[in-house]
Amino acid sequence: GDSVTQMEGPVTLSEEAFLTINCTYTATGYPSLFWYVQYPGEGLQLLLKATKADDKGSNKGFEATYRKETTSFHLEKGSVQVSDSAVYFCALSAGGTSYGKLTFGQGTILTVHP
Amino acid sequence: GAGVSQSPSNKVTEKGKDVELRCDPISGHTALYWYRQSLGQGLEFLIYFQGNSAPDKSGLPSDRFSAERTGGSVSTLTIQRTQQEDSAVYLCASSLTGWGYSNQPQHFGDGTRLSIL
Repeated sequence: GDSVTQMEGPVTLSEEAFLTINCTYTATGYPSLFWYVQYPGEGLQLLLKATKADDKGSNKGFEATYRKETTSFHLEKGSVQVSDSAVYFCALSAGGTSYGKLTFGQGTILTVHP
Repeated sequence: GAGVSQSPSNKVTEKGKDVELRCDPISGHTALYWYRQSLGQGLEFLIYFQGNSAPDKSGLPSDRFSAERTGGSVSTLTIQRTQQEDSAVYLCASSLTGWGYSNQPQHFGDGTRLSIL
Protein backbone atom coordinates (compact mmCIF):
# COMPACT_ATOMS: atom_id res chain seq x y z
CA GLY A 1 0.00 0.00 0.00
CA ASP A 2 0.88 3.66 -0.10
CA SER A 3 3.23 4.98 2.56
CA VAL A 4 5.24 8.07 3.50
CA THR A 5 8.39 8.13 5.61
CA GLN A 6 9.74 11.32 7.17
CA MET A 7 12.99 11.92 8.94
CA GLU A 8 12.90 11.41 12.67
CA GLY A 9 12.50 14.49 14.79
CA PRO A 10 12.51 16.63 16.69
CA VAL A 11 14.66 19.09 14.78
CA THR A 12 16.10 22.05 16.68
CA LEU A 13 17.73 24.93 14.81
CA SER A 14 18.91 28.44 15.43
CA GLU A 15 17.28 31.32 13.61
CA GLU A 16 18.60 31.81 10.04
CA ALA A 17 19.85 28.23 9.81
CA PHE A 18 19.19 26.06 6.74
CA LEU A 19 16.39 23.51 7.06
CA THR A 20 15.94 20.15 5.38
CA ILE A 21 13.25 17.66 6.33
CA ASN A 22 13.52 14.44 4.36
CA CYS A 23 10.47 12.70 2.96
CA THR A 24 10.29 9.55 0.82
CA TYR A 25 7.21 7.76 -0.41
CA THR A 26 5.91 4.50 -1.83
CA ALA A 27 2.88 4.61 -4.10
CA THR A 28 1.38 3.03 -7.18
CA GLY A 29 0.81 5.26 -10.16
CA TYR A 30 1.55 8.96 -10.07
CA PRO A 31 0.65 10.51 -6.75
CA SER A 32 0.45 14.17 -5.86
CA LEU A 33 2.68 15.22 -2.98
CA PHE A 34 2.01 17.73 -0.24
CA TRP A 35 3.58 19.34 2.80
CA TYR A 36 1.19 20.36 5.55
CA VAL A 37 2.13 22.39 8.64
CA GLN A 38 0.52 22.47 12.07
CA TYR A 39 1.42 25.52 14.16
CA PRO A 40 0.99 25.26 17.95
CA GLY A 41 -2.68 25.27 18.86
CA GLU A 42 -3.83 25.43 15.24
CA GLY A 43 -5.15 23.06 12.60
CA LEU A 44 -3.36 21.58 9.60
CA GLN A 45 -2.59 24.01 6.81
CA LEU A 46 -1.39 23.27 3.32
CA LEU A 47 2.16 24.59 2.92
CA LEU A 48 2.94 23.53 -0.65
CA LYS A 49 2.23 20.86 -3.22
CA ALA A 50 3.58 19.26 -6.40
CA THR A 51 1.47 17.18 -8.74
CA LYS A 52 3.95 15.67 -11.19
CA ALA A 53 7.59 14.67 -11.48
CA ASP A 54 10.13 17.52 -11.38
CA ASP A 55 7.49 20.02 -10.19
CA LYS A 56 8.73 22.36 -7.47
CA GLY A 57 6.24 23.54 -4.86
CA SER A 58 7.06 26.71 -2.96
CA ASN A 59 5.46 28.93 -0.34
CA LYS A 60 6.66 31.24 2.46
CA GLY A 61 10.30 30.57 1.56
CA PHE A 62 9.85 26.79 1.74
CA GLU A 63 10.51 24.61 -1.32
CA ALA A 64 10.18 20.95 -2.22
CA THR A 65 10.85 19.19 -5.54
CA TYR A 66 8.99 16.06 -6.67
CA ARG A 67 11.74 13.55 -7.48
CA LYS A 68 10.25 10.45 -9.08
CA GLU A 69 13.62 8.72 -9.56
CA THR A 70 14.35 8.82 -5.83
CA THR A 71 10.68 8.83 -4.71
CA SER A 72 11.40 11.84 -2.55
CA PHE A 73 9.89 15.23 -1.69
CA HIS A 74 12.31 16.86 0.74
CA LEU A 75 11.31 20.16 2.35
CA GLU A 76 13.91 22.95 2.43
CA LYS A 77 14.16 26.52 3.63
CA GLY A 78 17.25 28.64 3.37
CA SER A 79 16.81 30.70 6.54
CA VAL A 80 14.35 29.64 9.22
CA GLN A 81 12.61 31.97 11.64
CA VAL A 82 11.26 31.42 15.15
CA SER A 83 7.76 31.63 13.66
CA ASP A 84 8.47 28.50 11.59
CA SER A 85 8.37 26.38 14.76
CA ALA A 86 5.65 23.83 14.07
CA VAL A 87 4.99 20.21 13.13
CA TYR A 88 5.51 19.42 9.45
CA PHE A 89 3.74 16.55 7.68
CA CYS A 90 4.60 15.10 4.30
CA ALA A 91 1.63 13.49 2.55
CA LEU A 92 0.64 11.87 -0.71
CA SER A 93 -2.60 11.47 -2.58
CA ALA A 94 -2.71 8.67 -5.10
CA GLY A 95 -5.93 9.71 -6.84
CA GLY A 96 -7.93 7.22 -8.86
CA THR A 97 -9.76 4.81 -6.61
CA SER A 98 -8.05 6.31 -3.56
CA TYR A 99 -10.40 9.28 -4.14
CA GLY A 100 -7.78 11.79 -3.13
CA LYS A 101 -7.41 10.59 0.46
CA LEU A 102 -4.14 11.59 2.06
CA THR A 103 -1.53 9.24 3.42
CA PHE A 104 0.66 11.09 5.94
CA GLY A 105 4.14 10.68 7.28
CA GLN A 106 4.58 10.63 11.03
CA GLY A 107 5.34 14.35 11.29
CA THR A 108 8.52 16.22 12.20
CA ILE A 109 8.59 18.68 15.07
CA LEU A 110 10.68 21.76 14.27
CA THR A 111 11.80 24.16 16.98
CA VAL A 112 13.67 27.33 16.02
CA HIS A 113 15.51 29.26 18.73
CA PRO A 114 16.36 32.98 18.50
CA GLY B 1 -14.70 33.04 3.30
CA ALA B 2 -15.49 30.52 5.99
CA GLY B 3 -13.23 27.55 6.41
CA VAL B 4 -14.03 24.05 7.62
CA SER B 5 -15.84 24.21 10.92
CA GLN B 6 -15.86 21.41 13.49
CA SER B 7 -17.77 21.07 16.73
CA PRO B 8 -17.34 20.59 19.56
CA SER B 9 -13.70 21.65 19.80
CA ASN B 10 -13.29 19.50 22.91
CA LYS B 11 -15.31 16.58 24.19
CA VAL B 12 -14.78 14.63 27.40
CA THR B 13 -16.96 11.62 28.00
CA GLU B 14 -17.08 8.43 29.98
CA LYS B 15 -16.17 5.06 28.55
CA GLY B 16 -19.20 3.35 27.05
CA LYS B 17 -21.04 6.53 26.05
CA ASP B 18 -21.86 7.48 22.47
CA VAL B 19 -20.46 10.67 20.93
CA GLU B 20 -21.26 12.69 17.81
CA LEU B 21 -18.75 14.91 16.09
CA ARG B 22 -19.84 17.46 13.52
CA CYS B 23 -18.13 18.87 10.44
CA ASP B 24 -19.31 21.75 8.28
CA PRO B 25 -17.18 21.85 5.10
CA ILE B 26 -16.35 24.77 2.87
CA SER B 27 -19.36 25.70 0.75
CA GLY B 28 -19.21 24.07 -2.68
CA HIS B 29 -16.73 21.38 -1.69
CA THR B 30 -18.13 18.03 -2.75
CA ALA B 31 -15.43 15.87 -1.16
CA LEU B 32 -15.25 15.45 2.61
CA TYR B 33 -12.76 13.38 4.61
CA TRP B 34 -12.44 12.35 8.24
CA TYR B 35 -9.02 11.64 9.76
CA ARG B 36 -7.85 10.76 13.25
CA GLN B 37 -4.69 12.10 14.86
CA SER B 38 -3.35 10.17 17.82
CA LEU B 39 0.02 9.93 19.52
CA GLY B 40 0.62 6.30 18.72
CA GLN B 41 -0.78 6.17 15.19
CA GLY B 42 -0.14 9.60 13.70
CA LEU B 43 -2.66 10.86 11.15
CA GLU B 44 -4.98 8.14 9.82
CA PHE B 45 -7.68 8.28 7.18
CA LEU B 46 -11.12 7.18 8.36
CA ILE B 47 -13.75 7.79 5.66
CA TYR B 48 -14.35 9.71 2.44
CA PHE B 49 -17.61 11.24 1.20
CA GLN B 50 -18.35 12.36 -2.33
CA GLY B 51 -21.63 14.21 -2.03
CA ASN B 52 -23.76 12.17 0.34
CA SER B 53 -22.28 8.79 -0.49
CA ALA B 54 -19.22 7.18 1.10
CA PRO B 55 -17.29 5.20 -1.51
CA ASP B 56 -14.39 4.60 0.87
CA LYS B 57 -14.98 3.62 4.50
CA SER B 58 -11.83 1.53 4.69
CA GLY B 59 -10.26 3.49 7.54
CA LEU B 60 -13.07 3.11 10.07
CA PRO B 61 -11.43 1.07 12.86
CA SER B 62 -14.50 -0.90 13.99
CA ASP B 63 -18.25 -1.15 13.56
CA ARG B 64 -18.62 1.23 16.52
CA PHE B 65 -17.68 4.01 14.12
CA SER B 66 -20.14 5.36 11.56
CA ALA B 67 -20.60 8.56 9.62
CA GLU B 68 -23.15 10.23 7.46
CA ARG B 69 -23.40 13.31 5.31
CA THR B 70 -26.61 15.08 4.42
CA GLY B 71 -27.44 17.65 1.75
CA GLY B 72 -23.95 17.30 0.38
CA SER B 73 -22.78 19.45 3.25
CA VAL B 74 -22.65 18.74 6.99
CA SER B 75 -21.20 15.44 8.15
CA THR B 76 -21.50 13.68 11.48
CA LEU B 77 -19.05 11.07 12.78
CA THR B 78 -20.60 8.87 15.49
CA ILE B 79 -18.68 6.65 17.87
CA GLN B 80 -20.78 4.20 19.86
CA ARG B 81 -19.78 2.63 23.17
CA THR B 82 -16.59 4.66 23.34
CA GLN B 83 -13.35 3.05 24.51
CA GLN B 84 -10.24 4.71 25.90
CA GLU B 85 -8.33 3.93 22.71
CA ASP B 86 -10.77 6.20 20.86
CA SER B 87 -9.16 9.21 22.55
CA ALA B 88 -7.64 11.32 19.76
CA VAL B 89 -8.11 14.47 17.73
CA TYR B 90 -10.66 13.92 14.97
CA LEU B 91 -10.02 16.07 11.92
CA CYS B 92 -12.35 16.86 9.06
CA ALA B 93 -11.19 18.11 5.67
CA SER B 94 -12.91 19.13 2.47
CA SER B 95 -11.83 19.68 -1.11
CA LEU B 96 -13.49 20.71 -4.35
CA THR B 97 -13.61 17.11 -5.53
CA GLY B 98 -11.94 13.84 -4.71
CA TRP B 99 -13.26 11.52 -7.37
CA GLY B 100 -10.35 10.48 -9.58
CA TYR B 101 -8.32 13.55 -8.66
CA SER B 102 -5.21 13.49 -6.54
CA ASN B 103 -4.14 17.09 -6.90
CA GLN B 104 -6.90 18.89 -5.04
CA PRO B 105 -5.61 20.30 -1.75
CA GLN B 106 -7.63 19.48 1.32
CA HIS B 107 -8.65 22.19 3.77
CA PHE B 108 -8.73 21.08 7.37
CA GLY B 109 -10.82 22.13 10.33
CA ASP B 110 -9.26 22.68 13.76
CA GLY B 111 -10.44 19.27 14.93
CA THR B 112 -12.35 17.85 17.88
CA ARG B 113 -10.21 16.68 20.78
CA LEU B 114 -11.97 13.63 22.21
CA SER B 115 -11.00 12.33 25.63
CA ILE B 116 -12.50 9.12 27.00
CA LEU B 117 -12.28 8.75 30.77
